[in-house]
Amino acid sequence: NTKITQSPRYLILGRANKSLECEQHLGHNAMYWYKQSAEKPPELMFLYNLKQLIRNETVPSRFIPECPDSSKLLLHISAVDPEDSAVYFCASSQGQFSNERLFFGHGTKLSVL
Amino acid sequence: QQQVRQSPQSLTVWEGETAILNCSYEDSTFDYFPWYHQFPGESPALLIAIRPVSNKKEDGRFTIFFNKREKKFSLHIADSQPGDSATYFCASHNYAQGLTFGLGTRVSVFP
Repeated sequence: NTKITQSPRYLILGRANKSLECEQHLGHNAMYWYKQSAEKPPELMFLYNLKQLIRNETVPSRFIPECPDSSKLLLHISAVDPEDSAVYFCASSQGQFSNERLFFGHGTKLSVL
Repeated sequence: QQQVRQSPQSLTVWEGETAILNCSYEDSTFDYFPWYHQFPGESPALLIAIRPVSNKKEDGRFTIFFNKREKKFSLHIADSQPGDSATYFCASHNYAQGLTFGLGTRVSVFP
């Protein structure tokens, strides 16, 4: 899926800080961060619409999102915990109301040592 | 409390059979009901979706049946193929909660 690109694909972290990056080439207004743990459904972390943070679910403060422009999304992670091991998906949709198709990136698999 | 209940957790069918996946919900304000599928190691992708104004939506071998009164909807995969083997997530949407996914059904289709 080259319409939404995420980097890195794989990430192994101890206590270091790191940022996940996402860029969408669909011209969508809304961008999301989802966390998917093993054998679980995706869980919404953050939703931006037109660069504004619209939804901020109950997420540990070590996760900080940033939306530098409407096509880019960052997720800054600091002092990770083993429970953070998961795949982090970036997604986008035309508008902020997710009663329309979500397009997912290929994800970043985070493994915490 | 799970907002969207999905069953079964796993399902095995033979090639050519119809696989039936079920979901139910409680909140009558839900207004959009998509099904996503996810192949191992890949990201979720929209398969088919329905809105409450309809009780049936077809797309090739995939059909959603929707029962508003009973707050249930199901996905039927006709003539199942080994390539349909994946995890399928139902979901429900309202403006207050956004999109809520069910826990998923792992479908295995054997030739």
